[in-house]
Amino acid sequence: EADIYQTPRYLVIGTGKKITLECSQTMGHDKMYWYQQDPGMELHLIHYSYGVNSTEKGDLSSESTVSRIRTEHFPLTLESARPSHTSQYLCASSESKTPWGVEQYFGPGTRLTVT
Amino acid sequence: GESVGLHLPTLSVQEGDNSIINCAYSNSASDYFIWYKQESGKGPQFIIDIRSNMDKRQGQRVTVLLNKTVKHLSLQIAATQPGDSAVYFCAEKRTGGSYIPTFGRGTSLIVHP
Repeated sequence: EADIYQTPRYLVIGTGKKITLECSQTMGHDKMYWYQQDPGMELHLIHYSYGVNSTEKGDLSSESTVSRIRTEHFPLTLESARPSHTSQYLCASSESKTPWGVEQYFGPGTRLTVT
Repeated sequence: GESVGLHLPTLSVQEGDNSIINCAYSNSASDYFIWYKQESGKGPQFIIDIRSNMDKRQGQRVTVLLNKTVKHLSLQIAATQPGDSAVYFCAEKRTGGSYIPTFGRGTSLIVHP
């Protein structure tokens, strides 16, 4: 089992609210990622981080922000939730042991519903 | 455009049969491929990977085959069990690109007892 955790697991929230999705890993991995996934569909990268104080936007514009103040913690914030943000959000981490290995360890996900 | 995708969205098999899940990719510069399994309500889980200098790699009950000529990747699961029911994703990493893999659309594997 991978040691990566996400809270909350489920969240129903009204339009316009600010929310933060939490992600923590205890593996000491330097790289962390946030993906958005609709049921059965591919994963879309929304943010990633090479390490502390490093964050980058991914392919999908999600109107969210992230921070990486500590190695183990990579929270995702939506300043103003909209119904279009309804989706599953997956956090992942990986380490840079080899130039080939990009094995990512995923958390269980947060299923967000914006009403 | 460049893409990683799967041929079939759903595959139904009987318990004990062998399963084959296919994946096509279009970027010949991809040098590393990964298969993930995602069970309902969980995040994807790494199954097996293969580098572009290989054409076959075996794990426990799983085999990945890579055909670079036709840019095709397959995952074979031997003696499929009900616990194998999940959505399977292939992902690619491109040579010289970032370390972040690109995911294709999943294939849902349904195993009937």
